[in-house]
Amino acid sequence: NAGVTQTPKFRILKIGQSMTLQCTQDMNHNYMYWYRQDPGMGLKLIYYSVGAGITDKGEVPNGYNVSRSTTEDFPLRLELAAPSQTSVYFCASSYPQYEQYFGPGTRLTVT
Amino acid sequence: GIQVEQSPPDLILQEGANSTLRCNFSDSVNNLQWFHQNPWGQLINLFYIPSGTKQNGRLSATTVATERYSLLYISSSQTTDSGVYFCAVLSNFGNEKLTFGTGTRLTIIP
Repeated sequence: NAGVTQTPKFRILKIGQSMTLQCTQDMNHNYMYWYRQDPGMGLKLIYYSVGAGITDKGEVPNGYNVSRSTTEDFPLRLELAAPSQTSVYFCASSYPQYEQYFGPGTRLTVT
Repeated sequence: GIQVEQSPPDLILQEGANSTLRCNFSDSVNNLQWFHQNPWGQLINLFYIPSGTKQNGRLSATTVATERYSLLYISSSQTTDSGVYFCAVLSNFGNEKLTFGTGTRLTIIP
């Protein structure tokens, strides 16, 4: 099992540009999540999904969009990137209410 | 929402020393996880431990759910143990959000 994979590993965006962060898991988990981690802080939930076709907002959803068309994939879309979105983004997956497994992260800088 | 506090915030130890990290949480939980974030930023699952005691090599963890705390023990520390240790909990009430503590930064000196 590859577990949770994320691409790209690093990205630099200019203000106002858009991009999609990719996340794939091969553990057949129903639940998938996107978190962001700002320097020196713990992780905060952006969006989550309890199954294909179902998504819901987390703690910090503004400026982001998600979709879940398959069990395996959960892309995160940034529209009109802002410096406040400079962060490390982690994708995770789990069975309901159970242990969450995290991908390696995407380090995003918006300048 | 649920509050998660970790202590101490920073810990500097000599290689070979033992350490205890604490996580206090403010409400009942379904899920408690301990993670190690290494200097490269990777989050490594250490324990899934909503209650009871588990051991994995030099690491062990105990959660006393009724008293709302968890402890992570690291014995015979090695330099590769350096990094930030996070406790994260899933509340019994409502959403699927893992709430993270602010972490304990552990530095092991050779």
